[in-house]
Amino acid sequence: GENVEQHPSTLSVQEGDSAVIKCTYSDSASNYFPWYKQELGKGPQLIIDIRSNVGEKKDQRIAVTLNKTAKHFSLHITETQPEDSAVYFCAADSGYALNFGKGTSLLVTP
Amino acid sequence: DAGITQSPRHKVTETGTPVTLRCHQTENHRYMYWYRQDPGHGLRLIHYSYGVKDTDKGEVSDGYSVSRSKTEDFLLTLESATSSQTSVYFCAIRKALGQGIEETQYFGPGTRLLVL
Repeated sequence: GENVEQHPSTLSVQEGDSAVIKCTYSDSASNYFPWYKQELGKGPQLIIDIRSNVGEKKDQRIAVTLNKTAKHFSLHITETQPEDSAVYFCAADSGYALNFGKGTSLLVTP
Repeated sequence: DAGITQSPRHKVTETGTPVTLRCHQTENHRYMYWYRQDPGHGLRLIHYSYGVKDTDKGEVSDGYSVSRSKTEDFLLTLESATSSQTSVYFCAIRKALGQGIEETQYFGPGTRLLVL
């Protein structure tokens, strides 16, 4: 089945800096890659996604890039703010469900 | 808001007792999912459903059963709870993004289960 690896597991940045989280996947048939943000005590919330027919997608301060040849995709957050502190999960579709990375705990310090 | 509620939100039970968690959706989506979340493991799929009475196993289905007798409800049952099933359980639905046909998963608020 699909295996999704996510790095780093923890990331600490200063407010205003950029943060990058990287994921790799194993199933070349995967064609949908969402990212979720999870705040303490809440369910994961979709923040951005990308499909295999595009290489990059942006939404204000967040962007996702996809390299299908290398089977990796990344989340980029620019001008980080303290409210960006959360756990972020990448995922890849397996046809009927999503396979998730193990998460990255992002801490943005003022 | 994806129109998903989970009940109970918190539960403490004893080893060997049966436990049923409920996921309820208000928007008639075909696909529903149960995941468990544990430190160091991320989100792992337990079971999913693709319609009334249509269910299938996920990655970590041992010790769990599910039922879906109507579109809006997806039940997860631990027949005889064990301490290893202490976890946070999330229900999810698959629905369209915006106005298009492309779909993604949206999650409920979760149920914290402690098995003593």
